[in-house]
Amino acid sequence: GDSVTQMEGPVTLSEEAFLTINCTYTATGYPSLFWYVQYPGEGLQLLLKATKADDKGSNKGFEATYRKETTSFHLEKGSVQVSDSAVYFCALKRAQAGTALIFGKGTTLSVSS
Amino acid sequence: GAGVSQSPSNKVTEKGKDVELRCDPISGHTALYWYRQSLGQGLEFLIYFQGNSAPDKSGLPSDRFSAERTGGSVSTLTIQRTQQEDSAVYLCASSLAGVASYEQYFGPGTRLTVT
Repeated sequence: GDSVTQMEGPVTLSEEAFLTINCTYTATGYPSLFWYVQYPGEGLQLLLKATKADDKGSNKGFEATYRKETTSFHLEKGSVQVSDSAVYFCALKRAQAGTALIFGKGTTLSVSS
Repeated sequence: GAGVSQSPSNKVTEKGKDVELRCDPISGHTALYWYRQSLGQGLEFLIYFQGNSAPDKSGLPSDRFSAERTGGSVSTLTIQRTQQEDSAVYLCASSLAGVASYEQYFGPGTRLTVT
C-alpha cells in the first residue's frame, strides 16, 4: 500500500543552520504531497504542498520539490530560526477524491540560539 | 474565520467506559476526516465523510469505534468499552471537498487518556 518514510529525529540545529528533512514515498499514480508542521501545544498546520512532478512548494522560507524519479519530497530551509522548532510531517494524498492523508511518522526539529 | 473546533480538549476515562468526541468543521466544508495520533503509530486515518455519501470507515481499528455526522456538519466519534491502547490524540480535519489538492484544516485535537 501507499506509504511515506521520513528521517527519524530528533534533529538538533543551531540558529541559522541549513535544514534538510528527507521524505520518500511509495504510491501508485500521481499523489499530491504535503508538509505539515505541529508547533508545541498547537494543531497541525499545512506548511507547503505540491500537486505534480517537478512542482516546488514554498512557505516561510521552507521549500520542497516533488521528485517523481526519486519518489522524494525533501524539506529544506536555508537558515532556521528558534521559532522553527516543531514536529514536521510529510504526507501524501492519492489523486482519487475521498482519500485521506497518509503521514510519515514525523521529525522533531529543535533549534537553539 | 472560525477554524475546526474539537471538544473536549482533554478526556480521562476509565478502561471499559464509553467516550464521545466532538468535531465542528469549518462552515461550508463538505469533507470531514478523523485521524488518531499516538506515540507508537504516528498519525493514522480513521474515517472520512463526504457530503451525504456513505462514510469511508476503512481506518477504524475495531468495531468499538464508530462515528456519525449529523446534517453534514458536526461529527461525533464514539469509542465503546475503551482500552488503554485507545489513549491517543484524536484529530479532526475538514476540507472543501475530497479533492486531492484541497487543504485539510485540522482542529486542536482531543487528548484521550484511558486509565
